[in-house]
Amino acid sequence: GNSVTQMEGPVTLSEEAFLTINCTYTATGYPSLFWYVQYPGEGLQLLLKATKADDKGSNKGFEATYRKETTSFHLEKGSVQVSDSAVYFCALRVDSSYKLIFGSGTRLLVRP
Amino acid sequence: SQTIHQWPATLVQPVGSPLSLECTVEGTSNPNLYWYRQAAGRGLQLLFYSVGIGQISSEVPQNLSASRPQDRQFILSSKKLLLSDSGFYLCAWGRDPQSEKLFFGSGTQLSVL
Repeated sequence: GNSVTQMEGPVTLSEEAFLTINCTYTATGYPSLFWYVQYPGEGLQLLLKATKADDKGSNKGFEATYRKETTSFHLEKGSVQVSDSAVYFCALRVDSSYKLIFGSGTRLLVRP
Repeated sequence: SQTIHQWPATLVQPVGSPLSLECTVEGTSNPNLYWYRQAAGRGLQLLFYSVGIGQISSEVPQNLSASRPQDRQFILSSKKLLLSDSGFYLCAWGRDPQSEKLFFGSGTQLSVL
């Protein structure tokens, strides 16, 4: 079946540290991959996406590369800010399915 | 611009009581609507989706039901809540699968005691 596994949190970093949140997937077909972010008190928002192998999604200084060989879509940012504190969800959708399959979420806490 | 409203934000209900969570979307027509649930320590699980009024697809067998009485209204219900129904419920809307983007409400934290 289709599933997403992401690293457990919380992840606690100091401001300006390098961030990696791991995400791996299993899927039949050819999935599109997403990172969603949920800031405190808000709904989920799409952060970035990649629709085929070797694509790199990027937004707000965050990046993730679709690695088919390792079935991964790790989220990275070179220098995190306090305002990046949120819960990050990795997700996939296979082909034209209506269903987005989410990971369990990783809470990031950035301290000044 | 489009907005999605979901309420209440938190809810504490006794086992065996009924449930009604409401979600409405503004600023768009004929959206695809979704109900997701996140149980503690688990990912977001799709419960129901709807592509039109009165059209409901259920993803998992459970104690819950959904209805879409109007184009931009999506309701999640239960006649008798179970302890296992506790979780964080999110409503979302999207244009179509190819748009690849869902817009989420702020969620309802349901505690069944």
